[in-house]
Amino acid sequence: GQNIDQPTEMTATEGAIVQINCTYQTSGFNGLFWYQQHAGEAPTFLSYNVLDGLEEKGRFSSFLSRSKGYSYLLLKELQMKDSASYLCALSPGGYQKVTFGTGTKLQVIP
Amino acid sequence: GAVVSQHPSRVICKSGTSVKIECRSLDFQATTMFWYRQFPKKSLMLMATSNEGSKATYEQGVEKDKFLINHASLTLSTLTVTSAHPEDSSFYICSARDMPGDVNEQFFGPGTRLTVL
Repeated sequence: GQNIDQPTEMTATEGAIVQINCTYQTSGFNGLFWYQQHAGEAPTFLSYNVLDGLEEKGRFSSFLSRSKGYSYLLLKELQMKDSASYLCALSPGGYQKVTFGTGTKLQVIP
Repeated sequence: GAVVSQHPSRVICKSGTSVKIECRSLDFQATTMFWYRQFPKKSLMLMATSNEGSKATYEQGVEKDKFLINHASLTLSTLTVTSAHPEDSSFYICSARDMPGDVNEQFFGPGTRLTVL
């Protein structure tokens, strides 16, 4: 099975940088997703890490360490619209189901 | 990217009635669709995996007779909540895998908010 841990809530200031951590335990691993979900809306895809290291995509970057069972999502130059929940999700491989963490609710304040 | 639609976006029904939610992949074929349920301030919980032309695979604790899933074509899956009760009120989200795209990427629909009175 899989177990995913994320902080429940975080607050950060507009224009700042915030790092959202995700730790996991899993019997099988193929990759790790990060999704953004605004209240009342469906999740939207942010990133998918398969190999160790940092992947940068604009203001968002995602890091993975498979040996440590650890990932983080880094948001730079925070904007008010970044206030949302950020979901870490595990893909065990192949066509198996993706397991979602409980999500981190990020509040960006002026 | 691939687009997934859901209908209706919002539904209110009386206790005891049945509600059907449609999930469509608009510009791609999806052999596999997933149905999730999300309660307020909680994460997505997978209810079932829907495969075109075969029976759905339900997660533990999800009643297959209460949540009927039909995946009759490569672009449409339906979830019917039978004899709905207030505790079934939730946000229902479907997702679909592109075929023959990346086996791991899922595209989510916009969700259906169900309120049972």
